[in-house]
Amino acid sequence: DVKVTQSSRYLVKRTGEKVFLECVQDMDHENMFWYRQDPGLGLRLIYFSYDVKMKEKGDIPEGYSVSREKKERFSLILESASTNQTSMYLCASTKIPFGTVSYNEQFFGPGTRLTVL
Amino acid sequence: EDQVTQSPEALRLQEGESSSLNCSYTVSGLRGLFWYRQDPGKGPEFLFTLYSAGEEKEKERLKATLTKKESFLHITAPKPEDSATYLCAVFSGGYNKLIFGAGTRLAVHP
Repeated sequence: DVKVTQSSRYLVKRTGEKVFLECVQDMDHENMFWYRQDPGLGLRLIYFSYDVKMKEKGDIPEGYSVSREKKERFSLILESASTNQTSMYLCASTKIPFGTVSYNEQFFGPGTRLTVL
Repeated sequence: EDQVTQSPEALRLQEGESSSLNCSYTVSGLRGLFWYRQDPGKGPEFLFTLYSAGEEKEKERLKATLTKKESFLHITAPKPEDSATYLCAVFSGGYNKLIFGAGTRLAVHP
């Protein structure tokens, strides 16, 4: 079974802090994603990566950056956390090549609920 | 603008009471429609992909169908363990991106 793990289930940070969210997958998947999930808005893509050191912006990249130094690990960074970044953050991965329809059959981690005070 | 709307927002059923969840969409060039299940405190779990109008997929008590404007997730004789939020998403060929609906929260009571 594919396993996607996220470093924290719950996180509380203060405005202005630098925040790191870590995601690890154990199935050698090339593609990894970061989403945020907010009530009434559905999941929105922040960034994705199709290979080590490669990254692409999603729909809402402002205020975020990412790092992928190893194939199995994808980090989301909030350079200076703000209250409007309070949300559930979900990491996902897939082996299917980008652009094919099946690319969207993704395996998700359990999520990190981040609160910024 | 591409859009995905799920209804109802929440649905309460008695065990054994069949029903359907709706996902209506407006996208430029549908390439695939996806259903995911999300349990409280967990990430979404992939259920189905539908590629074209008329297609149907089944898994246990769930059956997903697709027309040119909407998809239905039919739940036959549901059990309490079917309680979850069901998410619909469409892959738009026009923008090559995945667009999620807000989900339907299903509660099945014994």
